[in-house]
Amino acid sequence: DTAVSQTPKYLVTQMGNDKSIKCEQNLGHDTMYWYKQDSKKFLKIMFSYNNKELIINETVPNRFSPKSPDKAHLNLHINSLELGDSAVYFCASSQEWGYGYTFGSGTRLTVV
Amino acid sequence: QKEVEQDPGPLSVPEGAIVSLNCTYSNSAFQYFMWYRQYSRKGPELLMYTYSSGNKEDGRFTAQVDKSSKYISLFIRDSQPSDSATYLCAMTTSNAGGTSYGKLTFGQGTILTVHP
Repeated sequence: DTAVSQTPKYLVTQMGNDKSIKCEQNLGHDTMYWYKQDSKKFLKIMFSYNNKELIINETVPNRFSPKSPDKAHLNLHINSLELGDSAVYFCASSQEWGYGYTFGSGTRLTVV
Repeated sequence: QKEVEQDPGPLSVPEGAIVSLNCTYSNSAFQYFMWYRQYSRKGPELLMYTYSSGNKEDGRFTAQVDKSSKYISLFIRDSQPSDSATYLCAMTTSNAGGTSYGKLTFGQGTILTVHP
């Protein structure tokens, strides 16, 4: 049973397209996150939701819009994709604030 | 200057060696410190978690935090080829319920290869 699952695992798309990444966790955690990992492996937070409420919204272009229909799901929609959006996007969840996360296996997005 | 600095390596050691991985940080508000291991094409997995200063041991792994120096370390004893991965340090503040709720700040990661 996968704890944090993301779909799709790989996404190759053209510039200007709109795409979505889905995330689901079955751990009963209250908080979910989106992180972006660049080509140098640097992980940076984008958003966090606690019980469907947006808590953290880092300096991310407004082409990125997260949505949390319930506390087990957090989706990421990206409009007008650009080359610089190519990266690995990780979903994660946590129960206790300040404690370690459980990460998904990532979605590798390539914009061509 | 990044809030968390970590030498990206790569670091290559022979099997059985003791490995030392380090991070420095600038934000004195960081209270919780973690080490994650990330295998190629996988998500990071939590290895060690410590609160404030001190040492913590788990099997072959020891995590150390020195808040006065803003320096954290991970030691791997008797390293194995299966330890070959990227090791990421991460930390967060004690700002419970605030605007940084749950936000982890990561180092860049150190690529480790343990060769037989």
